[in-house]
Amino acid sequence: DAGITQSPRHKVTETGTPVTLRCHQTENHRYMYWYRQDPGHGLRLIHYSYGVKDTDKGEVSDGYSVSRSKTEDFLLTLESATSSQTSVYFCAISVSPGLGYGYTFGSGTRLTVV
Amino acid sequence: ILNVEQSPQSLHVQEGDSTNFTCSFPSSNFYALHWYRWETAKSPEALFVMTLNGDEKKKGRISATLNTKEGYSYLYIKGSQPEDSATYLCAFFTGGGADGLTFGKGTHLIIQP
Repeated sequence: DAGITQSPRHKVTETGTPVTLRCHQTENHRYMYWYRQDPGHGLRLIHYSYGVKDTDKGEVSDGYSVSRSKTEDFLLTLESATSSQTSVYFCAISVSPGLGYGYTFGSGTRLTVV
Repeated sequence: ILNVEQSPQSLHVQEGDSTNFTCSFPSSNFYALHWYRWETAKSPEALFVMTLNGDEKKKGRISATLNTKEGYSYLYIKGSQPEDSATYLCAFFTGGGADGLTFGKGTHLIIQP
């Protein structure tokens, strides 16, 4: 019944290689977000999207890019993976976080950069 | 960078006891305050979204209050049960655009039988 899926669920990659994580939704929500979760930190926003082809940077965007060519898909790319990007990545969707609508989160992608 | 503080960081509570914890956020440019429940090996799930000063929300044994003038929200759990064990996150939204939520680091709640 998940309206949001992330792929892959787990990935191990080598330093310097490009990596793309995918977030797919079936809810037709306007807003999509990528967060990373690290020990000692709360969820930190990487990039977000407020519509097709409309994206912007979050708090920790260095080293990451995103694309949203369709309402349902939001891709996060690590251009050249580094060990500091080892993390758990969560995608979230929302109708509108400021108007009483919460986020729905994906199951997360655990990325290890070796 | 907005500062959202949650306290305590962790909390051990006996089954059946009631408990509460705090979220502090900037009192200016307030738009919405969210609470999420995050169980181990799962994804965070929305509990409440509050937008008005004085808001009180309730879901079963869990309730939340909001004071936007002084910048805090309380989450209460009445008669704690083992299934309440989780990390509880609060998140602040300033509005004015499409920016995402700013999350606190969470309160890790452990209910002891």
